[in-house]
Amino acid sequence: GAGVSQSPSNKVTEKGKDVELRCDPISGHTALYWYRQRLGQGLEFLIYFQGNSAPDKSGLPSDRFSAERTGESVSTLTIQRTQQEDSAVYLCASSLVSGQGREQYFGPGTRLTVT
Amino acid sequence: TQLLEQSPQFLSIQEGENLTVYCNSSSVFSSLQWYRQEPGEGPVLLVTVVTGGEVKKLKRLTFQFGDARKDSSLHITAAQPGDTGLYLCAGDPNDYKLSFGAGTTVTVRA
Repeated sequence: GAGVSQSPSNKVTEKGKDVELRCDPISGHTALYWYRQRLGQGLEFLIYFQGNSAPDKSGLPSDRFSAERTGESVSTLTIQRTQQEDSAVYLCASSLVSGQGREQYFGPGTRLTVT
Repeated sequence: TQLLEQSPQFLSIQEGENLTVYCNSSSVFSSLQWYRQEPGEGPVLLVTVVTGGEVKKLKRLTFQFGDARKDSSLHITAAQPGDTGLYLCAGDPNDYKLSFGAGTTVTVRA
């Protein structure tokens, strides 16, 4: 079946512009996660959605970052007034349920470059 | 500051050699996961260890969870070029929010 898909795969934007990144999770997966991966570093948790519960936004680095998810489907991550330090790969993952040891399935990521 | 420290950061070996990657923390985790990530792709889960002292084998890969559930290791026997990639360990200090190490980049030369 289809895995997690993300679009665009690459995005180059000018400093100060807004960008919107999209994630299509695996159908039926109630949990959805966004991570940021800077070059040479591990994954940094950004935000978590679980069903209709309030999202955990504790990892968002600033108020320029926001994310939405409609039900158990598509999610969008929006970065306003982009800065050069926002350049990174943004990864989305989904899982069936939350809980100990549950497997997260990752998309290929969106590589964002802010010039 | 990383919650999980991985070492070494880079590892380059010849095909057929063995290698070990370490993942250490001062925190206790209910479980630890190991992922492999190839360029341009997202991480793919290799294994989850949940019991202190647990050893899991996946073909030529052996994963161990420390007795105190604070550390883990990944050992690859007779490495092959197909093992090349970024190996990431991840732990869940709470119910759902995984904390990732910075990763070990493994290169296996033919």
